[in-house]
Amino acid sequence: DAGVTQSPTHLIKTRGQQVTLRCSPKSGHDTVSWYQQALGQGPQFIFQYYEEEERQRGNFPDRFSGHQFPNYSSELNVNALLLGDSALYLCASSLPGEGTQYFGPGTRLLVL
Amino acid sequence: GENVEQHPSTLSVQEGDSAVIKCTYSDSASNYFPWYKQELGKRPQLIIDIRSNVGEKKDQRIAVTLNKTAKHFSLHITETQPEDSAVYFCAASKGSASKIIFGSGTRLSIRP
Repeated sequence: DAGVTQSPTHLIKTRGQQVTLRCSPKSGHDTVSWYQQALGQGPQFIFQYYEEEERQRGNFPDRFSGHQFPNYSSELNVNALLLGDSALYLCASSLPGEGTQYFGPGTRLLVL
Repeated sequence: GENVEQHPSTLSVQEGDSAVIKCTYSDSASNYFPWYKQELGKRPQLIIDIRSNVGEKKDQRIAVTLNKTAKHFSLHITETQPEDSAVYFCAASKGSASKIIFGSGTRLSIRP
């Protein structure tokens, strides 16, 4: 049983560009959450998707958007990239109605 | 707003000694408290969690205690080993697929 997977593992972009990150949840998990982890800090909640809709959102600008597909996989899109968007982006999945979240390996984004 | 404070930020202990990490949370509605271990360049891994209807939980060398009145919770690692070296994050959530609010992390080093 594969755990949470994410792609790509690393990405380099320049300011102003757009990026799409992908996540496949653990088998049987229907809820996907995205977090941003800056160097030396704890993960910060971006948003959560359930039944293909954004259910909760953290304190991130509209440049951050997402999508969930019928197979529960999810995408995170960031537009108009800023240098400060450089971080490790983590996806976590959970079972229906469960609080426990399991993390993927993350995508390390560097914005130059 | 919702906040989790964690201390110390760094902790160095002799191999075989115990390590204690303490956290406080601000939202009294929080009812689920996971702890994650993150090794360098890897994903956060859930090591233990506790729910608000329990005051203490133990799993081999790891234990967590929760004081709901004071809004404090702590991680205790006994008989520390070199492989315990990592960054540890406490977190709080309102459970049931809610977002997780992380502390700022504790870098634990085990001295041989």
